[in-house]
Amino acid sequence: AQSVAQPEDQVNVAEGNPLTVKCTYSVSGNPYLFWYVQYPNRGLQFLLKYITGDNLVKGSYGFEAEFNKSQTSFHLKKPSALVSDSALYFCAVIDTSGTYKYIFGTGTRLKVLA
Amino acid sequence: NAGVMQNPRHLVRRRGQEARLRCSPMKGHSHVYWYRQLPEEGLKFMVYLQKENIIDESGMPKERFSAEFPKEGPSILRIQQVVRGDSAAYFCASSLPPGQGSEQFFGPGTRLTVL
Repeated sequence: AQSVAQPEDQVNVAEGNPLTVKCTYSVSGNPYLFWYVQYPNRGLQFLLKYITGDNLVKGSYGFEAEFNKSQTSFHLKKPSALVSDSALYFCAVIDTSGTYKYIFGTGTRLKVLA
Repeated sequence: NAGVMQNPRHLVRRRGQEARLRCSPMKGHSHVYWYRQLPEEGLKFMVYLQKENIIDESGMPKERFSAEFPKEGPSILRIQQVVRGDSAAYFCASSLPPGQGSEQFFGPGTRLTVL
């Protein structure tokens, strides 16, 4: 079965420091990978995706993610965190071996400290 | 191009009543998904529909819950005889065919409170 894991419930980082939010996946075949962000009392917003091509994907708000096939990872990164980046982040994968529904990780809460 | 619309945004029901949640996907999207989220928790997949068809309902309780996405009109998530445990935020998302690697677009959610 295809799955995605976010091993950290919460990540704390100081403003201005680089941030990383981790995601690993388990799929059969080529993965379609996504990152979403959720601010309080809002729906999820799409940040970026990897379908094929360059392993480094750039997305909204200065975020990027690196697809690493050998480590089956798709970590979200940003060179310099902002307090406004504090939110809940979800990694997701499309279940290409089944019904093509999206499988979401459990989420990682990012807190950027001023 | 309007995004995904959900209504109502807030819904209060007493135990035993019915709740109807509506979702209008983005224009051109025929794939709709429903999720449930409890406070400070992750998303729980409920059901995936494509126009007039249920593709995957593996996350939806067998009793009291149903979903539809008719040829015309919004998708509806229906909860009959609500109980306090149904209180949650319910999010709808839509996409182009996921086999193309399309991202989902989420609505603002309906917050259901069962008294």
